[in-house]
Amino acid sequence: EIVLTQSPALMAASPGEKVTITCSVSSSISSSNLHWYQQKSETSPKPWIYGTSNLASGVPVRFSGSGSGTSYSLTISSMEAEDAATYYCQQWSSYPFTFGSGTKLEIK
Amino acid sequence: EVQLVESGGGLVQPKGSLKLSCAASGFTFNTYAMNWVRQAPGKGLEWVARIRSKSNNYATYYADSVKDRFTISRDDSQSMLYLQMNNLKTEDTAMYYCVRAFFAYWGQGTLVTVSA
Repeated sequence: EIVLTQSPALMAASPGEKVTITCSVSSSISSSNLHWYQQKSETSPKPWIYGTSNLASGVPVRFSGSGSGTSYSLTISSMEAEDAATYYCQQWSSYPFTFGSGTKLEIK
Repeated sequence: EVQLVESGGGLVQPKGSLKLSCAASGFTFNTYAMNWVRQAPGKGLEWVARIRSKSNNYATYYADSVKDRFTISRDDSQSMLYLQMNNLKTEDTAMYYCVRAFFAYWGQGTLVTVSA
């Protein structure tokens, strides 16, 4: 099973601050198989970034994704209040599909 | 508009059974793989099971935590996805989401509570 380790688990950022969330993968995967989701309280997760760096429809351009092999990241260039949420990375390189444990991002 | 509507959740005792349903609309159901993903209260996401389309022989895949207890199935004629859950454990308590293919569309979820 491929294990995804996200860090940090919890963080707070001020408006305008740059934010980076990392996802470490236990076995190297193709970057096309690493994805990110955003979830806000009491709602279903939303696809956010596909294939490491492709923004889903409607995702603000202040978001970006990068990485390869076993190390991936999601970056917000300038934090906004609406970005407060939990972010999960996920791999579908092999079964069982697995998610990271999540990063809860709060606004200061 | 793609819609996925789950139903069938509720309170069940340990070792009991429950069958979840997901009604799909707004897309050609029979051409897509489908998944169940769950989220325990206050916890992260866990992929549960996947079933592929008829063209892929309805192949099924499961998380180790539910293998031999849960069965995913589909009825393409009714655009329905199912999850039969047997021998339920307290750790199966979660919101269960129906999710299309490569996780672009999620239902609102149905809550399963396993408790005596």
